[in-house]
Amino acid sequence: AQSVAQPEDQVNVAEGNPLTVKCTYSVSGNPYLFWYVQYPNRGLQFLLKYITGDNLVKGSYGFEAEFNKSQTSFHLKKPSALVSDSALYFCAVRDMRGGSYIPTFGRGTSLIVHP
Amino acid sequence: ETGVTQSPTHLIKTRGQQVTLRCSSQSGHNTVSWYQQALGQGPQFIFQYYREEENGRGNFPPRFSGLQFPNYSSELNVNALELDDSALYLCASSSASGNYNEQFFGPGTRLTVL
Repeated sequence: AQSVAQPEDQVNVAEGNPLTVKCTYSVSGNPYLFWYVQYPNRGLQFLLKYITGDNLVKGSYGFEAEFNKSQTSFHLKKPSALVSDSALYFCAVRDMRGGSYIPTFGRGTSLIVHP
Repeated sequence: ETGVTQSPTHLIKTRGQQVTLRCSSQSGHNTVSWYQQALGQGPQFIFQYYREEENGRGNFPPRFSGLQFPNYSSELNVNALELDDSALYLCASSSASGNYNEQFFGPGTRLTVL
């Protein structure tokens, strides 16, 4: 069975500093990996995805993520955090096998960027 | 381009009742998925519909059922409501059922079961 772990419930960072939100995954085949962001009282918004190819993926709002197959990780990063980046971030994985489609989301990490 | 919309925004029901939640997918999308997001948790996949057929289901009992209509809008029906069904229900659409496509989420319906 596939699974996603976001080991930190909360990440605190000062505005202007780099940020990292961690995600590790477990799948039996090759993974499709996604990051979504959720603002209060809103649905999830897509940030970026890894399907294949370059291990460094660039996404919306200056975010990027690095796929590391040996460590089964897909950490979300941003070189310089903004207060407006404060939100709930979810990592998700889909198994690359065909057939039934069952995506798995992590529990989420609350990012707080301090002015 | 119209985004994903859901109705109602909030709903209060009592245990044992039935509820229907509605979703209009983003223009051009033919795939709709439903998720349950309990407080403090990530979204849990309920099921997906592609061209009016269910083509994937998560670990939810049969009292959770759905429909997709020819215009690709969708309904989620929950029978015999239980207290643990209280959650935010999210609908998401995508342009195909492929595993690699990102999804576009609606704002959700907050269901409270008393």
